[in-house]
Amino acid sequence: RKEVEQDPGPFNVPEGATVAFNCTYSNSASQSFFWYRQDCRKEPKLLMSVYSSGNEDGRFTAQLNRASQYISLLIRDSKLSDSATYLCVGANDYKLSFGAGTTVTVRA
Amino acid sequence: GAVVSQHPSWVICKSGTSVKIECRSLDFQATTMFWYRQFPKQSLMLMATSNEGSKATYEQGVEKDKFLINHASLTLSTLTVTSAHPEDSSFYICSARFHRQGFRSSEKLFFGSGTQLSVL
Repeated sequence: RKEVEQDPGPFNVPEGATVAFNCTYSNSASQSFFWYRQDCRKEPKLLMSVYSSGNEDGRFTAQLNRASQYISLLIRDSKLSDSATYLCVGANDYKLSFGAGTTVTVRA
Repeated sequence: GAVVSQHPSWVICKSGTSVKIECRSLDFQATTMFWYRQFPKQSLMLMATSNEGSKATYEQGVEKDKFLINHASLTLSTLTVTSAHPEDSSFYICSARFHRQGFRSSEKLFFGSGTQLSVL
């Protein structure tokens, strides 16, 4: 079983909709979590860091649930430019684990 | 600006030649560097993890003699694809991590811009 698992999607949503998806992790020693965004054939770029119970950055909200060992990403008021693959990352002092990514497509 | 520089961006080479890809962290010292491969419409696949001054740890199924990784300094790691063949054609991406044990807020992880390798 992979240490970090994501629903690959794709999530196809209309512009302006809210979309949310989860990432589960199996390593309880994971301390820090991140969401990265990757556009086609480009490098992943940091979207948000998630250190505690969760945080919000504009239209993006990340939540961490340590009891159930998952983090979530919610995108409000989706824009066409939000279409991308979103990668979940779990980290501890010794290891980084990547999810395979969730694809989101926002349509006009 | 870019904090991880990866070169070259594109490589086209003949089958049987070796190709070296460089990954540099520009404004921080990377305690760990990672190398990934990504085929079209597929997710990132971790190939190996390297810590400065030590041998790389390869993922299962990745040939260490074919994909040579050198991590000689805290700011530079190289991946050499030896005797490349068409099936090695892929998008290769590096990432560099800075992390101080016990200091979660110190975590930094950035990706290079990737190298598209095409082997003819």
